Amino acid sequence: QQPVQSPQAVILREGEDAVINCSSSKALYSVHWYRQKHGEAPVFLMILLKGGEQKGHEKISASFNEKKQQSSLYLTASQLSYSGTYFCGTEMNPGSARQLTFGSGTQLTVLP
Amino acid sequence: DSGVTQTPKHLITATGQRVTLRCSPRSGDLSVYWYQQSLDQGLQFLIQYYNGEERAKGNILERFSAQQFPDLHSELNLSSLELGDSALYFCASSVEAGGPGDTQYFGPGTRLTVL
Repeated sequence: QQPVQSPQAVILREGEDAVINCSSSKALYSVHWYRQKHGEAPVFLMILLKGGEQKGHEKISASFNEKKQQSSLYLTASQLSYSGTYFCGTEMNPGSARQLTFGSGTQLTVLP
Repeated sequence: DSGVTQTPKHLITATGQRVTLRCSPRSGDLSVYWYQQSLDQGLQFLIQYYNGEERAKGNILERFSAQQFPDLHSELNLSSLELGDSALYFCASSVEAGGPGDTQYFGPGTRLTVL
């Protein structure tokens, strides 16, 4: 079951904040966040495991709400380099197979 | 640079043909994953291998097959190619087959164009 990402696209000015959401109708074990620039490989940002853990990476942080089966990615004081498409990949079962199901992506554009 | 290498970078071929995409995982990684990314389908998981054995299968067509060799590199074989197979094919690798904190790192991809 593909997770649902929102919004589909967002345009910001440098220095502004953004939130990207990733929701699943199924119970999640983990959520993986990636950023992809056009024509390039997805780059790993962070993993969140169930338990409401919050993680940070520079000025990018994320949370995982187990009750809602939702993860949110927070981008603070956006920089031009943050532009790209953000994907969440969700995993439902722990253990032997790391099958990630990716959302359709959120296109983030940061303008000067 | 994630440390995952893929060849070739670009591939142009005709319908009905067969191609092989190659992936070398990061040093020390035992798992290899293949993904297909097209405009209308997003990033789709195809198949996973761990230490030479198939571990998980996703939306992989019967015309597609993969294997992981003893040196841990992997090949994805696509046969009887159709126009709709045109896409970016990514390989990713991780240390383990599962477990908390096991991260997938993506290679640069192979862009396949079927004419």
